Amino acid sequence: DAGVIQSPRHEVTEMGQEVTLRCKPISGHNSLFWYRQTMMRGLELLIYFNNNVPIDDSGMPEDRFSAKMPNASFSTLKIQPSEPRDSAVYFCASSFSGYEQFFGPGTRLTVL
Amino acid sequence: SQKIEQNSEALNIQEGKTATLTCNYTNYSPAYLQWYRQDPGRGPVFLLLIRENEKEKRKERLKVTFDTTLKQSLFHITASQPADSATYLCALPPVVGGGADGLTFGKGTHLIIQP
Repeated sequence: DAGVIQSPRHEVTEMGQEVTLRCKPISGHNSLFWYRQTMMRGLELLIYFNNNVPIDDSGMPEDRFSAKMPNASFSTLKIQPSEPRDSAVYFCASSFSGYEQFFGPGTRLTVL
Repeated sequence: SQKIEQNSEALNIQEGKTATLTCNYTNYSPAYLQWYRQDPGRGPVFLLLIRENEKEKRKERLKVTFDTTLKQSLFHITASQPADSATYLCALPPVVGGGADGLTFGKGTHLIIQP
């Protein structure tokens, strides 16, 4: 199995631009999680889905952030407009009706 | 919401010794607690899960304890090796009796095993 796949691995953009991060979970997994990691705040849950349905988005910082999961094999996290304080590593993770979460390699986002 | 405290300072241990990492939490006691390992530039990797009714759990050289009275978990690596050097994260479900939910993570402890 290829594991959780994220793209792009690195993204550098300018303030005000739209950013879209992509995630392909492990086949057969029914839960998908988006996390953000910074030195100051550590690893924070942004949103998670069960069976493609958003369950808890209370961690999404503000309306500039949105996430979708149109099918079981794909999810996106969009930031529009982006700001320098959004610079972080964004992780996607998936699990199968259980508790062990499998993380992707992350997308390092830099907003100038 | 749950607050998790892990030793933010790096922990230096000599090879062959036992490394012990601490995770303290406030507020409610969760139904379970997890430990993950994170290497630089990589995503966290699941190591162990321990449930509230389990006092101790082992996996090879790893041992985790869970004390719901003290609101604390200890993570031990016996016969430590330089390859064990990494950041170790403690994680809990966000609600009381939480199931397979999104996790709240501690900031992690950076462990360095010196040859």
